[in-house]
Amino acid sequence: GQQLNQSPQSMFIQEGEDVSMNCTSSSIFNTWLWYKQDPGEGPVLLIALYKAGELTSNGRLTAQFGITRKDSFLNISASIPSDVGIYFCAGQPDSNYQLIWGAGTKLIIKP
Amino acid sequence: ETGVTQTPRHLVMGMTNKKSLKCEQHLGHNAMYWYKQSAKKPLELMFVYSLEERVENNSVPSRFSPECPNSSHLFLHLHTLQPEDSALYLCASSQDSLAGVHEQYFGPGTRLTVT
Repeated sequence: GQQLNQSPQSMFIQEGEDVSMNCTSSSIFNTWLWYKQDPGEGPVLLIALYKAGELTSNGRLTAQFGITRKDSFLNISASIPSDVGIYFCAGQPDSNYQLIWGAGTKLIIKP
Repeated sequence: ETGVTQTPRHLVMGMTNKKSLKCEQHLGHNAMYWYKQSAKKPLELMFVYSLEERVENNSVPSRFSPECPNSSHLFLHLHTLQPEDSALYLCASSQDSLAGVHEQYFGPGTRLTVT
């Protein structure tokens, strides 16, 4: 079946650093979604991407839909403590209801 | 009222019990979803309802039984569960559109422990 490779699995960063994470697939997606999940909560939608090459920002977050339609990137600029959590990518391969999910990138701020 | 609510937030049940999880969405969406989230694994889609009809059932064991009485409410009935069913159960909703775009909005989840 279709799979998403999300990397890195976890990141230790200093407050104020920029963060990058990505998802890659062996097949084409029509939509890419990025979510963040805090402990004890459900995932919250951060950014949705609909076209190859699209670059979309949400505050300090910027995500891009790769030109090949097989990858997507999420960048966080000037990280702050509340950025900690698990970030998930999800891709929609066609018009059905199935989203394919990455395994998550855990963001940890170094003390 | 927040977008998607789930009750209970925590549930401990024995393998012979019967319980139900409830989800309610206040976003005016017409599609609802049940997911299972286990540690360090991608979210697993269990069931999808669109306009109150089940449209996806991803080979889920029959000990999980969904019910969607209307577009705002979704239930997951549980019976004779196994310890490996312990997980976070997430409900989500989206607007089902002809464009086929399904931005999903999640509830906080029910943390289920089967003893």
